[in-house]
Amino acid sequence: AQSVSQHNHHVILSEAASLELGCNYSYGGTVNLFWYVQYPGQHLQLLLKYFSGDPLVKGIKGFEAEFIKSKFSFNLRKPSVQWSDTAEYFCAVNEGKAAGNKLTFGGGTRVLVKP
Amino acid sequence: DAGITQSPRHKVTETGTPVTLRCHQTENHRYMYWYRQDPGHGLRLIHYSYGVKDTDKGEVSDGYSVSRSKTEDFLLTLESATSSQTSVYFCAISVGTKNTEAFFGQGTRLTVV
Repeated sequence: AQSVSQHNHHVILSEAASLELGCNYSYGGTVNLFWYVQYPGQHLQLLLKYFSGDPLVKGIKGFEAEFIKSKFSFNLRKPSVQWSDTAEYFCAVNEGKAAGNKLTFGGGTRVLVKP
Repeated sequence: DAGITQSPRHKVTETGTPVTLRCHQTENHRYMYWYRQDPGHGLRLIHYSYGVKDTDKGEVSDGYSVSRSKTEDFLLTLESATSSQTSVYFCAISVGTKNTEAFFGQGTRLTVV
């Protein structure tokens, strides 16, 4: 079964600092990769996605992620965070139609940005 | 935006009672999912559906059943609620040209006492 690992459970940083969250997945075949964000008390919202093509993908709110196939990684980055980026971030993998288009999630990383 | 409505949004129930959560969508999406969210575990798939009356188990399906008699409704039933089923439950649908992107409902916070 597919597994997704997020290396950091909690991250605390100050405004304007750079953020990088690690994500590794286990499936060796073709995958679709996602980062979701969950602001306090809210549901999950899509931050960005990778299907194919340019391994560097840009999402909303200044976030970007890099797909490195050889490392089974899809790390999330933001050059300069804001207080409003305080949230929990989830990496997810979709194995495609044959697997029911199910998403497998990592355990999440709670990010706290201090003003 | 895809429209998903979960009901109820909050529920407190007693151990041993059956509970049904409802997910309603407005746009005829084929795939629907139930996840539970617990601290440190991210979201874990309970059951999913790939069409009317077509459902399959996820990784944490024990103690749960689902039904989908209409495209727009996907029901999750806790047959006999236990304290370990206290959680936040999210319904999701697959959207996009290849149905690979998930869109989530607002969630249902269930407490079993």
